[in-house]
Amino acid sequence: DAGVTQSPTHLIKTRGQQVTLRCSPKSGHDTVSWYQQALGQGPQFIFQYYEEEERQRGNFPDRFSGHQFPNYSSELNVNALLLGDSALYLCASSFGQGLVGYTFGSGTRLTVV
Amino acid sequence: QKEVEQDPGPLSVPEGAIVSLNCTYSNSAFQYFMWYRQYSRKGPELLMYTYSSGNKEDGRFTAQVDKSSKYISLFIRDSQPSDSATYLCAMSAIGGYGQNFVFGPGTRLSVLP
Repeated sequence: DAGVTQSPTHLIKTRGQQVTLRCSPKSGHDTVSWYQQALGQGPQFIFQYYEEEERQRGNFPDRFSGHQFPNYSSELNVNALLLGDSALYLCASSFGQGLVGYTFGSGTRLTVV
Repeated sequence: QKEVEQDPGPLSVPEGAIVSLNCTYSNSAFQYFMWYRQYSRKGPELLMYTYSSGNKEDGRFTAQVDKSSKYISLFIRDSQPSDSATYLCAMSAIGGYGQNFVFGPGTRLSVLP
């Protein structure tokens, strides 16, 4: 049983560019959340998607946007990239708001140069 | 003052040692407390989950919560080299993940053979 899969694993972008990260949730999960983890820091909540709608949002600017598809997969888009956007971007899936079944992917390492 | 604080380490111990990892927090409303383990280049995985105060044991791992002191701990007995990872505490005032769920910055642990 595949867990949460994220793509790509790594990528390098230039300041000002746009990037799209992808996430496929664990089988049976319907809720997807995105986190940003800077080096040496804990994950910071970006937003959560359920039934193709953004249900919650953390303290991130509008440059960060997302989408959830009917098959529950999700995308994170970041526009006008800044050097400070360099981080590990984690996707986590769950069935509803269940705490114990919350599963993280291995993340996408984004480097902005 | 940050909402959740952890000693970043790195903490190095010999194989077989008892490890104590700690977090302090400032929000007295937190009731749900979790410990995650994160291996290099991987996403966090849930180790222990505790509601309110008290102790919880699972194999070599023991989680303690002292709400009066706003202090939580994770003890690892008979530590193994495979325990080498970053340990993140996380907490929430209400059940469920999302914007109300706060991670600490993590403590990096190395268990030396």
